This record gives sequence, C-alpha cells and structure tokens, in this order.
Amino acid sequence: GAVVSQHPSWVICKSGTSVKIECRSLDFQATTMFWYRQFPKQSLMLMATSNEGSKATYEQGVEKDKFLINHASLTLSTLTVTSAHPEDSSFYICSARAFGQGSGTEAFFGQGTRLTVV
Amino acid sequence: SQQGEEDPQALSIQEGENATMNCSYKTSINNLQWYRQNSGRGLVHLILIRSNEREKHSGRLRVTLDTSKKSSSLLITASRAADTASYFCATDPNAGGTSYGKLTFGQGTILTVHP
Repeated sequence: GAVVSQHPSWVICKSGTSVKIECRSLDFQATTMFWYRQFPKQSLMLMATSNEGSKATYEQGVEKDKFLINHASLTLSTLTVTSAHPEDSSFYICSARAFGQGSGTEAFFGQGTRLTVV
Repeated sequence: SQQGEEDPQALSIQEGENATMNCSYKTSINNLQWYRQNSGRGLVHLILIRSNEREKHSGRLRVTLDTSKKSSSLLITASRAADTASYFCATDPNAGGTSYGKLTFGQGTILTVHP
C-alpha cells in the first residue's frame, strides 16, 4: 500500500514555543490530507482538512490560528502548533488519499506524532 | 463530531477464542473501514467494506455491514496474543469533493488476548 511518513514521531517542547509536524506522501500525490488528534485512551478527532494550494478547512472548535496548516505541495502538509500549552499534549496523526482516488478507497495514515508540552 | 459508537469498549479473551466488536453509526456512508492501533502507534488499515456489500473476509477477519441498521461488526477468529490492540471503525461519508478521506472514527474497542 501507499506510504505516508510523519515526522517527528515524538517531540517534547516548552510551553509557549511552536512545534511543526510534517506529513509526507512518499509514493503518491495527495491533493488532500487530514489531521487528527487523539487523547489517551480516546478515539481520533478530525481537526482539519488540508488542501494543496488553498486554505485548510477546520472542524468546529479547532482554533485555526493555533493549529496552522500548510499544504504547499502534493506530497507535503505541515501542522504547526503555535504557542503550545500543556493541554495541547496529544497524539497527532495525518492521513492522505492518493490523487484521483475517489471515496471508496482506504486512507493511508502516518505513524503519528506524540507531542508533550512541559 | 464522532458518530461511531463501538461496543464493547473493552474485551478480554483467551488465545484461540473469537473476538467480536460492533460499530454503529448515524449518517449515510459510502464505505466503512476498520483500523487497528497498537498502544501509542499509528493506525493500520484492516479492511474496507462498501455500502453495497454485506460481508467481507480477509484472513482471520470477517466484517459485516448492515446499512439498514447502520451497524457493522468485526470478527477476529482464532485470536492470538499479538491481536491485542485497539480497534476502530471509521465511516467514509457519502459525499464528494474534498470530503474524500474525511473519516469519522468510532470510540474504539480495546482488545486484550491472553496467552
């Protein structure tokens, strides 16, 4: 199957700093990528839809100024957590669908990033 | 919003036994997918069943879908200790455009298989 690489796999940062997480589709082009957040022992919550070349679409309740998403190319989307606080500590996962694939096919997930804000 | 409800929330069985997990959803779907997640790791895609399918098999996995009841089940036969993980269902909306790939996940079932 297609490969989505997410980096870093874990990061520890101080409160008030910003952290950037990368999501790359390695062997396919992804016009759309998705960012999810998962708290311990909970399910995945969709944060935003990242569209190549345009602004991201955020889910209700997700602060767009805090979680900056950039999808500059067909193979890379980045999520920047700005002015991080301890409550932002979570597991962040991206997913992507291949270009030209319609609904009805699997989404490919990155391996996730464990963010700890101290 | 999370539309999927899964039960049980936790399941503990012995190796060799079968494990059944159920998922219910609320809106119309194009397909439903099951994923596995080991603790603190990413998601592994297990199986996808389309809305016009009723049953699908993959190795020791069997998935059923009942669109009239808006429910699905995942059966793992002859379970192994290595099957210990969290299992999530995810629904793919019956929509086009940039909604492709926008999955809504259930709450998950934590499966523990004892050797």
